[in-house]
Amino acid sequence: EVQLLESGGGLVQPGGSLRLSCAGSGFIFSNYALTWVRQAPGKGLEWVSTIHGSGGDTYYGDSVRGRFTISRDDSQSTLFLQMNTLRAEDTAMYFCAKAVVGADALFETWGQGTLVTVSS
Amino acid sequence: DTQMTQSPSSLSASVGDRVTITCRANHGISNWLAWYQQKPGQAPKSLIYAAFNLQSGVPSRFSGSRYGADFTLTISSLQPEDAATYYCQQYNNYPIAFGQGTRLEIK
Repeated sequence: EVQLLESGGGLVQPGGSLRLSCAGSGFIFSNYALTWVRQAPGKGLEWVSTIHGSGGDTYYGDSVRGRFTISRDDSQSTLFLQMNTLRAEDTAMYFCAKAVVGADALFETWGQGTLVTVSS
Repeated sequence: DTQMTQSPSSLSASVGDRVTITCRANHGISNWLAWYQQKPGQAPKSLIYAAFNLQSGVPSRFSGSRYGADFTLTISSLQPEDAATYYCQQYNNYPIAFGQGTRLEIK
């Protein structure tokens, strides 16, 4: 069974940093593009960042570019999101999502999410 | 950037009704459009990909279509378990964009 499990969320002060992880299982991790999508409380889905397979190209939304860094460790089947200079508006549930082969931003499988709260 | 405009933002319908949700892209996206269903407290679930194709395991009452620039998600006969928020998403190019969501309530 294909599974994604996020971790690393929590409460952080404005200006602080946090590193999210997403552990994958049940598939050949290196073959797939992976993405972070977030959802602020009571709001819609917002694409954050995508990394192509085998540590390839990376893409970022305007609201996080320059502050967040996506990376992956295929040997550990783990996706990361390093979040720096956090703002109140970064408060959200962060989901990782696995793409399908041939469509790097079509999300076939999602994790259950990890909650990030930015507040003093 | 490609932006997705989804309508309506909410709707209420009865069991057995036919329901349609629409999404429009401000730039051409070919048929690289997906629909997701999200229930409260859960992760989104993929319903339709490439505008028309049903994901495995999704009930056949769900369907996707396209009329020019408008993409539609149709539920042919609404069931109680269809109460959820539905999102469209373009995956033609970066930045990836979701529609604003449609909250579907069962009367």
